[in-house]
Amino acid sequence: GQQLNQSPQSMFIQEGEDVSMNCTSSSIFNTWLWYKQDPGEGPVLLIALYKAGELTSNGRLTAQFGITRKDSFLNISASIPSDVGIYFCAGQAGATNKLIFGTGTLLAVQP
Amino acid sequence: NAGVTQTPKFRVLKTGQSMTLLCAQDMNHEYMYWYRQDPGMGLRLIHYSVGEGTTAKGEVPDGYNVSRLKKQNFLLGLESAAPSQTSVYFCASRTRPQETQYFGPGTRLLVL
Repeated sequence: GQQLNQSPQSMFIQEGEDVSMNCTSSSIFNTWLWYKQDPGEGPVLLIALYKAGELTSNGRLTAQFGITRKDSFLNISASIPSDVGIYFCAGQAGATNKLIFGTGTLLAVQP
Repeated sequence: NAGVTQTPKFRVLKTGQSMTLLCAQDMNHEYMYWYRQDPGMGLRLIHYSVGEGTTAKGEVPDGYNVSRLKKQNFLLGLESAAPSQTSVYFCASRTRPQETQYFGPGTRLLVL
């Protein structure tokens, strides 16, 4: 099945550092979403993007919908230990209402 | 308001056994989804439903069946479990395609 290319696969950083991850697709999406998954839990939505070029923030998180509609990135500023988890991007195209998920970025933050 | 709940939380099956996973939501959502998550991969859509009494295939439907007899429940069935179906299964629901999907806590299935 179709999946998005998400990078990096994993990151190990020090507390206080900034983090950046991105997703690319060969297909155009109308919506980009970023989720975080904690161990043993389901994904939780962090940020939703609905327009090409849109830049949206949620606290220390900032995400952008690429102008080509084929990519998106997520930045986390001043990371803290509770940022640890797996981050997934997801894209949605048109009226199919199906989400296509990226392969995930595992983030580890050392205090 | 419990959101999206899934039962059971964990199950071990032998090859060839059958079982049903239950997803329930109390948010009056029209759309419901079943995904599986495997190591190193994102979530892959198995089946989904756009309303009571309707179901449709997702990316990886083989070996699974679903039913949506009541709006609040979405059942995922494995008629003859195979080791390849060892995975974590997530259910999700939402009001409309443009809205956020809310995920359940997952069901961990091990098929021996």
